[in-house]
Amino acid sequence: GAVVSQHPSRVICKSGTSVKIECRSLDFQATTMFWYRQFPKKSLMLMATSNEGSKATYEQGVEKDKFLINHASLTLSTLTVTSAHPEDSSFYICSALGKETQYFGPGTRLLVL
Amino acid sequence: SQQGEEDPQALSIQEGENATMNCSYKTSINNLQWYRQNSGRGLVHLILIRSNEREKHSGRLRVTLDTSKKSSSLLITASRAADTASYFCATDPDNDMRFGAGTRLTVKP
Repeated sequence: GAVVSQHPSRVICKSGTSVKIECRSLDFQATTMFWYRQFPKKSLMLMATSNEGSKATYEQGVEKDKFLINHASLTLSTLTVTSAHPEDSSFYICSALGKETQYFGPGTRLLVL
Repeated sequence: SQQGEEDPQALSIQEGENATMNCSYKTSINNLQWYRQNSGRGLVHLILIRSNEREKHSGRLRVTLDTSKKSSSLLITASRAADTASYFCATDPDNDMRFGAGTRLTVKP
């Protein structure tokens, strides 16, 4: 089946630094990728829809300048958490849209100290 | 890797019929969630059931959880054409979510 990878799987950073998370579709091309965020014991929240070659579409309440998304190729989308703060600590999951369904990455656990 | 596995992978029914989708998982969980994905769109959260709950209702949705069998089912009653979508279950065995491959439901008018 289709595989989506995320890197890094876990990251710890200091408050005020920026963190980049990569999402790759390994064996298929994805013009659309999604970025989600999950708070502990809560449901997944869609942050933005990443479209190859165009600007991402952000959900209401998600700061575009805080969470920079770049979909530079058909197999790679990146999410950069800029000037991270402890409240940004969360589990971030990407998914890539295949022909019939979407495929999820394993997630990235971000801890901001 | 994805922990949950939904079955069937695809389901086609007539409008008005009930649709049942199942999800199995491998490790112990805190809760299990069901999501819907309309074509080309992101996930929409449907319902969350905690590990100490056995059944939960939300409108036309009914979710059951059997922790002894490590399985859950999602029942959509009186289906509508607008229910056509992919449905995913997700678990959080280690507080990080894991998704199944999904069930593609088609409701014919």
